[in-house]
Amino acid sequence: AQSVTQLGSHVSVSEGALVLLRCNYSSSVPPYLFWYVQYPNQGLQLLLKYTSAATLVKGINGFEAEFKKSETSFHLTKPSAHMSDAAEYFCAVSENPQGAQKLVFGQGTRLTINP
Amino acid sequence: AAGVIQSPRHLIKEKRETATLKCYPIPRHDTVYWYQQGPGQDPQFLISFYEKMQSDKGSIPDRFSAQQFSDYHSELNMSSLELGDSALYFCASSPLGPSGSYEQYFGPGTRLTVT
Repeated sequence: AQSVTQLGSHVSVSEGALVLLRCNYSSSVPPYLFWYVQYPNQGLQLLLKYTSAATLVKGINGFEAEFKKSETSFHLTKPSAHMSDAAEYFCAVSENPQGAQKLVFGQGTRLTINP
Repeated sequence: AAGVIQSPRHLIKEKRETATLKCYPIPRHDTVYWYQQGPGQDPQFLISFYEKMQSDKGSIPDRFSAQQFSDYHSELNMSSLELGDSALYFCASSPLGPSGSYEQYFGPGTRLTVT
């Protein structure tokens, strides 16, 4: 069964600094990987996805993530943090069985941006 | 662009009561997923439907049932509510069948409070 581990339940960076949110996955088959962002009292918004194409994936709001099979990682980065990036971030994995692909989420990382 | 619609947005019920949550997927999306997010937790997959048939089942209590209708909207029925059922319930939809797309679009959620 697939699983996701997000290292660090809370990450705090200064405005303008590099954002790095860590995600490691476990999957018995080539995975499909996603990053979602959740703002307070809102739903989940897809930031980016990896589906076995390019290993470096660019998403919305300046975020990108790199799939590294050897490290079973899919870390999320942004070169320069903005105050509006403060939110909860979830990494998720999905296998591709016959049928709808349920998402298995990590525990989430709360990102705080300091002025 | 049209998004996933969930109703109601907030629901307060007492123990042992029943609740019905509704989800209207994005037009032309034929797959619907339900997730439960407890306070401070990651979303947990409950159940999914493709073309009105149940396609996968997760950690959904026997007290809960769900279905997808001919217009693709879905309803999650919850009976004998318990305090532990208090959570944010998300519906997500995806297009092109269970193996045609890997993106799930989430609704804003229904916040259920059981007192």
